[in-house]
Amino acid sequence: QKEVEQNSGPLSVPEGAIASLNCTYSDRGSQSFFWYRQYSGKSPELIMSIYSNGDKEDGRFTAQLNKASQYVSLLIRDSQPSDSATYLCAVNLVGASKIIFGSGTRLSIRP
Amino acid sequence: NAGVMQNPRHLVRRRGQEARLRCSPMKGHSHVYWYRQLPEEGLKFMVYLQKENIIDESGMPKERFSAEFPKEGPSILRIQQVVRGDSAAYFCASSPSPPGRATGNTIYFGEGSWLTVV
Repeated sequence: QKEVEQNSGPLSVPEGAIASLNCTYSDRGSQSFFWYRQYSGKSPELIMSIYSNGDKEDGRFTAQLNKASQYVSLLIRDSQPSDSATYLCAVNLVGASKIIFGSGTRLSIRP
Repeated sequence: NAGVMQNPRHLVRRRGQEARLRCSPMKGHSHVYWYRQLPEEGLKFMVYLQKENIIDESGMPKERFSAEFPKEGPSILRIQQVVRGDSAAYFCASSPSPPGRATGNTIYFGEGSWLTVV
């Protein structure tokens, strides 16, 4: 089992709709979770970090964490074409200082 | 990520040559991480270093790859006797302290170094 799993997509969402990206992780004790966005040919950039169960909102982005289910998600409201990118879920493993990334979900916002 | 500086941005090497990739962390950051990204794949952790110390090299291939972060100067990822399978984007990231809930820190990436082996 991979440490961090994501559906590779592509996920196609109409402009203005809500995009929902999902991620599961295997290490039950993990405490820190991150979402990065990566445009083609560019480096990853941090969108959100979340540490506690529940929702965390920042503008059009909402991260959701459910530690019991080992599940973290990212919602993007009012999706824009500029949101088209690969979204990487990342987890800070227990007892380690490294951050492990999922393989990413490609999101495409269609006009 | 503008503060993490990587060079060269693009590097072409022939099979058997050596590749050296450099990374200067953001000001005030003493923790450096190297990741490799193969085409159409995710980021794979390679190594985590602090000044003069390798903390975790569990993702480094056993042969040909080495990394250092000297007291002075940038961190260097060195690949000896490159093969075509080494062609990838190599990303460096840095943080002021170990990432996680206790510190509230995460890691910030440089623009990457794209290695092509011909």
